[in-house]
Amino acid sequence: DQQVKQNSPSLSVQEGRISILNCDYTNSMFDYFLWYKKYPAEGPTFLISISSIKDKNEDGRFTVFLNKSAKHLSLHIVPSQPGDSAVYFCAASSGYALNFGKGTSLLVTP
Amino acid sequence: DTGVSQDPRHKITKRGQNVTFRCDPISEHNRLYWYRQTLGQGPEFLTYFQNEAQLEKSRLLSDRFSAERPKGSFSTLEIQRTEQGDSAMYLCASSPQGGSEAFFGQGTRLTVV
Repeated sequence: DQQVKQNSPSLSVQEGRISILNCDYTNSMFDYFLWYKKYPAEGPTFLISISSIKDKNEDGRFTVFLNKSAKHLSLHIVPSQPGDSAVYFCAASSGYALNFGKGTSLLVTP
Repeated sequence: DTGVSQDPRHKITKRGQNVTFRCDPISEHNRLYWYRQTLGQGPEFLTYFQNEAQLEKSRLLSDRFSAERPKGSFSTLEIQRTEQGDSAMYLCASSPQGGSEAFFGQGTRLTVV
């Protein structure tokens, strides 16, 4: 069963605009959430994370929002750049193992 | 380069053969993880070491899969009697004690023909 869901397989955004990637989870025991970025033929690269005691974490152009009551998190990228084009994975953890969604492929067009 | 290193990057093997992959974690990280990723899916957790102790192995996919980390540094993942369904990207990751962010290597792409 998929405990972490990314319901949008793909997203296309114009350069300079905001990209919003969404993620839902079902396990209320998850207490740490992460976003990874992945280019083809490479391993995932850690982007940003958030603890369940917070509702927002910001790092440069990347902001993650957590809504625990809705079991939903989102990643905002502002402004989007062509180099942001990649697959983005949401992950959640309640211990050592990360549970990943299936990913959202982001395309940022000039 | 001080990131997680995996070897080989690519492996093609015939069905029924055994394969072994190596992972060298970031040197100061004592936690090491193996994941598998198939096409269109996110990485799937397989097993976890803290130093040389394998603390979780129930999610290894079958008894054909085994992993070791004999001296608490590098790790190996072995697949015996490979099957076509084992074709996937095998990812290794490491993290420091108390750290929740796992840092991944570039993976080993296995193709079973």
